[in-house]
Amino acid sequence: GENVEQHPSTLSVQEGDSAVIKCTYSDSASNYFPWYKQELGKGPQLIIDIRSNVGEKKDQRIAVTLNKTAKHFSLHITETQPEDSAVYFCAAIGDTGKLIFGQGTTLQVKP
Amino acid sequence: EAQVTQNPRYLITVTGKKLTVTCSQNMNHEYMSWYRQDPGLGLRQIYYSMNVEVTDKGDVPEGYKVSRKEKRNFPLILESPSPNQTSLYFCASQTGTPLTDTQYFGPGTRLTVL
Repeated sequence: GENVEQHPSTLSVQEGDSAVIKCTYSDSASNYFPWYKQELGKGPQLIIDIRSNVGEKKDQRIAVTLNKTAKHFSLHITETQPEDSAVYFCAAIGDTGKLIFGQGTTLQVKP
Repeated sequence: EAQVTQNPRYLITVTGKKLTVTCSQNMNHEYMSWYRQDPGLGLRQIYYSMNVEVTDKGDVPEGYKVSRKEKRNFPLILESPSPNQTSLYFCASQTGTPLTDTQYFGPGTRLTVL
């Protein structure tokens, strides 16, 4: 079945620096890749997503890139701020039509 | 306010004592699902429901039951909880399927089974 690997598991950056989180997926038929942010004590919230017909999508300080040939996609956060500190999850829709999540990345932005 | 609510938020129980975690959404969504979140494993789907009276197994359904008698409610039932079901549980809902629409997650229920 579909598998999604996410790296790194923890990431610490200085405020203002960029952060990059990478995910790889196994099912070449996957065509939808959302990213979720989970703040402490809350449920995951969609922050950006990308479909397989585009290679990059931006929304202010966050962007996602997709390389279908290599089967990996990445989340880029520029000019990080302390409020970006959270757990981030990538996900992919596999051949079952269900969302398969990565293991999560805990991002800490130090002031 | 559009939201997914779960109750209780925290629960400590003992092995074998049946429990139910409720989930309710006020967005008239057809699709609802339950996930469990464990360290290093991300979120894994337990059960999902495409509409009233339609439920199906996710990736880790063993030891759980669900029902969907009304569109807004999707309770998760643990008939005989065991310590390996200690986890953080999330209910989610959306209009269509995960492929077509955004999933909205509830705030989570932290369950401890002693």
